[in-house]
Amino acid sequence: AQKITQTQPGMFVQEKEAVTLDCTYDTSDPSYGLFWYKQPSSGEMIFLIYQGSYDQQNATEGRYSLNFQKARKSANLVISASQLGDSAMYFCAMSSGGSQGNLIFGKGTKLSVKP
Amino acid sequence: DAGVIQSPRHEVTEMGQEVTLRCKPISGHDYLFWYRQTMMRGLELLIYFNNNVPIDDSGMPEDRFSAKMPNASFSTLKIQPSEPRDSAVYFCASRGTEKSSYNEQFFGPGTRLTVL
Repeated sequence: AQKITQTQPGMFVQEKEAVTLDCTYDTSDPSYGLFWYKQPSSGEMIFLIYQGSYDQQNATEGRYSLNFQKARKSANLVISASQLGDSAMYFCAMSSGGSQGNLIFGKGTKLSVKP
Repeated sequence: DAGVIQSPRHEVTEMGQEVTLRCKPISGHDYLFWYRQTMMRGLELLIYFNNNVPIDDSGMPEDRFSAKMPNASFSTLKIQPSEPRDSAVYFCASRGTEKSSYNEQFFGPGTRLTVL
């Protein structure tokens, strides 16, 4: 069965520092996609970054990067130069059958950025 | 584009009443997903459609829940009769298939349902 695990219910980071949010996954599919979404207190779900299972390089989108370690089945999100507006819930998700399948979400990590 | 539109944004109802949640996906998207988010269970997929056809409804909790997509621009999720344990935020999301690399799901703002 496919599963996403986020072991950090809550994290604190000082403004302007980098933070890593952990995500491990389990799947028997050779083709899958990994997504990160941000959910601020207002409730909307915002797509941040994507990593495909066959991608050779780690994905980057502005201050977001994904530390993809396939052998360890981990897809950690790294946020550089944290800002107060980064305070939110962060969800890791996986799609089966490549990038086009359904999404299975982890329980999320609540990130709080301290001034 | 206006993004995924959901209505109502908030719904408060009494146990036993029928509740209908509505969703308008992004124009041109051929996949539509309904999710439920609770503190206990997190974000769960209820059902998804491809080209208006339900593909997987294994996440629908029980017969009290039903979903329809009569056309490409409209979907409903109905709960009848509603129960207090149905209280949650219900998200609708849509996705296209126009990109060869990946196509992310775009989420609506959600409907916060409270069943008293």
